[in-house]
Amino acid sequence: QQQVKQSPQSLIVQKGGIPIINCAYENTAFDYFPWYQQFPGKGPALLIAIRPDVSEKKEGRFTISFNKSAKQFSLHIMDSQPGDSATYFCAASIRNTDKLIFGTGTRLQVFP
Amino acid sequence: EAQVTQNPRYLITVTGKKLTVTCSQNMNHEYMSWYRQDPGLGLRQIYYSMNVEVTDKGDVPEGYKVSRKEKRNFPLILESPSPNQTSLYFCASSKGATLNYGYTFGSGTRLTVV
Repeated sequence: QQQVKQSPQSLIVQKGGIPIINCAYENTAFDYFPWYQQFPGKGPALLIAIRPDVSEKKEGRFTISFNKSAKQFSLHIMDSQPGDSATYFCAASIRNTDKLIFGTGTRLQVFP
Repeated sequence: EAQVTQNPRYLITVTGKKLTVTCSQNMNHEYMSWYRQDPGLGLRQIYYSMNVEVTDKGDVPEGYKVSRKEKRNFPLILESPSPNQTSLYFCASSKGATLNYGYTFGSGTRLTVV
């Protein structure tokens, strides 16, 4: 129940494409859903986050879609660029705790 | 510059030889945590600390120890390392509830136990 399931494991798109990464959870106590971006040799960095009271959040070319009834959320990258090539992690946490449960990660490669 | 600093970045050691990975943050964050990252398994929490002298186990604490004697430092101790602890380790800190602030991660320590 504490898991966050992430797919796909890897993703290859061409520049300008719209990669979509999906995550699913079981624990209905989760109420904070961030995405982290990790470049090789670096630690993960917070990219964008959403709460379950909204169905979508956009920041620049990155969009989170959230489906509370299905207990699923996804990251869309509009007009993807080679510089977006990185590993992306979804995560979830429970209100008023600082514990983040991470998905297994998706390695994205964007080719010119 | 606000950051989480881990040392060393790379470490090769032998089975059973005690080691410490240091972690320090300069943001006056109350919450600190250690994660290990393994292929196909994502980031798994080892230990976390809500404040000085307050630590608790994460999901994979076996074989690890931590201490939080000062707010800025949160070292990870492997008393008797084994090959299955070969991994990429990350320290992270947060100002408070992750709902609002998120984690700041260090650059990682790649540990190899032979």
